Amino acid sequence: DTGVSQNPRHKITKRGQNVTFRCDPISEHNRLYWYRQTLGQGPEFLTYFQNEAQLEKSRLLSDRFSAERPKGSFSTLEIQRTEQGDSAMYLCASNQAGNTIYFGEGSWLTVV
Amino acid sequence: ELKVEQNPLFLSMQEGKNYTIYCNYSTTSDRLYWYRQDPGKSLESLFVLLSNGAVKQEGRLMASLDTKARLSTLHITAAVHDLSATYFCAVEFWGGNQFYFGTGTSLTVIP
Repeated sequence: DTGVSQNPRHKITKRGQNVTFRCDPISEHNRLYWYRQTLGQGPEFLTYFQNEAQLEKSRLLSDRFSAERPKGSFSTLEIQRTEQGDSAMYLCASNQAGNTIYFGEGSWLTVV
Repeated sequence: ELKVEQNPLFLSMQEGKNYTIYCNYSTTSDRLYWYRQDPGKSLESLFVLLSNGAVKQEGRLMASLDTKARLSTLHITAAVHDLSATYFCAVEFWGGNQFYFGTGTSLTVIP
């Protein structure tokens, strides 16, 4: 399968713990996006990379959130000191600039 | 302020009926997408609309774009139960740096 791959697909963590999600985009895609979606809402933009450069960050991305794309291929999204309000599905998407964006299956986070 | 609004938010319709979902956006857009999402699943791309007057059809779904009115529609023809899902429009602004999603329309097709 050559689609956007995310893991883990599900994560349950205790409040205050750190979690990290990984996204492997479609191989030739130079752009990578992270979105967050809570129940009953549309996805909200978090950040985007062009190659290894993080070009934009939403104000939703607090200091506890950090994203990297070190070699311009896979990306990680880390949440430090998780809070219950962080419970959501974290979606990764990728595209080649100007072309259709493809979403991964998402990573569900539950903070208890 | 950038806004993408969909209506209705909830739609319950009988099989065989037709209906239209509307997506309004607040400023000039590069392109507009329609996605389908099943419960607990990710987003499936349905249509990409690139220019004013664009119309695309796939099966019982047809999407159109009016950039002057900043309006896109998703028309459902002769609905079937398999179309039950949440439908999102997403608008690409500023050269594709961000997508803004609408609030979604939860569609239930009743047999």
